[in-house]
Amino acid sequence: QKEVEQDPGPLSVPEGAIVSLNCTYSNSAFQYFMWYRQYSRKGPELLMYTYSSGNKEDGRFTAQVDKSSKYISLFIRDSQPSDSATYLCAMALNNNDMRFGAGTRLTVKP
Amino acid sequence: GAGVSQSPSNKVTEKGKDVELRCDPISGHTALYWYRQSLGQGLEFLIYFQGNSAPDKSGLPSDRFSAERTGGSVSTLTIQRTQQEDSAVYLCASSLFYRSTEAFFGQGTRLTVV
Repeated sequence: QKEVEQDPGPLSVPEGAIVSLNCTYSNSAFQYFMWYRQYSRKGPELLMYTYSSGNKEDGRFTAQVDKSSKYISLFIRDSQPSDSATYLCAMALNNNDMRFGAGTRLTVKP
Repeated sequence: GAGVSQSPSNKVTEKGKDVELRCDPISGHTALYWYRQSLGQGLEFLIYFQGNSAPDKSGLPSDRFSAERTGGSVSTLTIQRTQQEDSAVYLCASSLFYRSTEAFFGQGTRLTVV
């Protein structure tokens, strides 16, 4: 079993839809939870991060962490074609050691 | 520089040759990571540096892979006797120690072994 599991998709939605992206993990010691966005032929860039459990909202993006279920989510409201990218979840212990999911490729169609 | 710089951006090499990939992290970032991204496989952790030391080399896929970092800055990833399965995008990232939650990535080196 991989430490971090993420459905690679691809996921295709119409413009304006609510998108839900998810990851599960096995290591209960993870404390930091991140979502990265990667456009084609670019390096990933940090989108959101959350420490421990709870929700965090930033504009159209909401990140949720449920440590009891070892499950994290990223919601995108009113999705736009510019949101089309690969979204990678990542998790870290306290020692800079990040583990990434495989990434979910999202396409938002106009 | 303003961001993480990787060179070369593209590399085509013949099977069996050695290659060196270079990463220049953001100035002052003490943590440096190497990842490999294969088509449909996501990011695969290779190695992590804290300063010049590598506390975790567990991700290196074989003894053909090695990495070093000098002066707490530039890092090189070396692949010896390249194989076709080594073809991938190799990504480098760096982060400040106390803000380990945010890693900044370079654009990667696309390696093709023919």
